[in-house]
Amino acid sequence: EAQVTQNPRYLITVTGKKLTVTCSQNMNHEYMSWYRQDPGLGLRQIYYSMNVEVTDKGDVPEGYKVSRKEKRNFPLILESPSPNQTSLYFCASSPGGSNQPQHFGDGTRLSIL
Amino acid sequence: AQTVTQSQPEMSVQEAETVTLSCTYDTSESDYYLFWYKQPPSRQMILVIRQEAYKQQNATENRFSVNFQKAAKSFSLKISDSQLGDAAMYFCAYRRRGAGNNRKLIWGLGTSLAVNP
Repeated sequence: EAQVTQNPRYLITVTGKKLTVTCSQNMNHEYMSWYRQDPGLGLRQIYYSMNVEVTDKGDVPEGYKVSRKEKRNFPLILESPSPNQTSLYFCASSPGGSNQPQHFGDGTRLSIL
Repeated sequence: AQTVTQSQPEMSVQEAETVTLSCTYDTSESDYYLFWYKQPPSRQMILVIRQEAYKQQNATENRFSVNFQKAAKSFSLKISDSQLGDAAMYFCAYRRRGAGNNRKLIWGLGTSLAVNP
């Protein structure tokens, strides 16, 4: 089954404790992206990747890191999480053609205390 | 910069009736894509329907159809024969056509749809 898998789905942690949200897709998609969803602000792009070893900042990259060592994986890293990073996070992927819609993971609810 | 506006934070519809959700957008581009996504309480983001701006014909997917008015920059979603499972948050999204990070989706703030039995 074609899918984007995020883990964990829920995480409650404390300020400053490094965490990684994993994202994996099995569709051989070149493009991958991270969004965060906040009430009243909608979804905003954090980082994106055009292909292996090619990543770039989105609209709200502060406090986040990403890597793309393999085509299927695009982890989101919070080196020193803070309460303002409490949010719902989505990973998305799409194939090379620009007319293809993005496939979304099921979301990760992060709470930083 | 492109923006997407959904003017109806909440809507309700009776089961089996028809409802229309509004979306307007602002862009200087002539070629782009528009999408409607559904987010049920499970939080998944599910693609409902998409429209390519260069196509004049309105997209249709079963009970879901759009009214795309390019000159007016309007992209409304019509849900016919509403079902209880249609209850969700609906997001309108825009994306430029072309390579690079033009694939970034620009989102409206959503419309929460309730379906009454």
